[in-house]
Amino acid sequence: DVKVTQSSRYLVKRTGEKVFLECVQDMDHENMFWYRQDPGLGLRLIYFSYDVKMKEKGDIPEGYSVSREKKERFSLILESASTNQTSMYLCASGGPLRTSRMTQHFGDGTRLSIL
Amino acid sequence: GENVEQHPSTLSVQEGDSAVIKCTYSDSASNYFPWYKQELGKRPQLIIDIRSNVGEKKDQRIAVTLNKTAKHFSLHITETQPEDSAVYFCAARADRGSTLGRLYFGRGTQLTVWP
Repeated sequence: DVKVTQSSRYLVKRTGEKVFLECVQDMDHENMFWYRQDPGLGLRLIYFSYDVKMKEKGDIPEGYSVSREKKERFSLILESASTNQTSMYLCASGGPLRTSRMTQHFGDGTRLSIL
Repeated sequence: GENVEQHPSTLSVQEGDSAVIKCTYSDSASNYFPWYKQELGKRPQLIIDIRSNVGEKKDQRIAVTLNKTAKHFSLHITETQPEDSAVYFCAARADRGSTLGRLYFGRGTQLTVWP
């Protein structure tokens, strides 16, 4: 069974702090994604990566960066946390289209509060 | 890029009735359409998906239809049960260029099934 593990379920940080959210998958998936989920706005893509050391901006990359040094790990970084980044953050991973591994699987999410 | 619109945003039905959620997409290159169910406090999970070379797919009480000409696809749930209550997301995917591997999500439909 596919497992996407996010390092924290709940996190409280202060304005201006540098925040790291970690995600690990165990399915050797090429693609990894970071979303934020806010009521009424659905799932918005922040960044994604289709290979080690590769990254692509999603729809709302401002204020965030990412790191993918190993295939199984994808980190989201809030360079200087602000209160408008309080949200639920979801990591996902998936394989190539037209393969049995193409389904995108989600982690349990990290509820981040910035005070 | 791709734009996915989902309707309705909320849907209430009586137990045993059918529920239909509709999505439209804009990019004719989209070729994969998954549906996710997210129960309260849990991760989104894939419930059914369809590829562009198929017009309809069914799995027990749920079915998805795709009309490529009109660029819309729908989720049908028959004989609804209270445990079907959740937020449902539709998505579209087109593997080309910088969008490789990413899903474009609708904003979600909150389905409530009353006993």
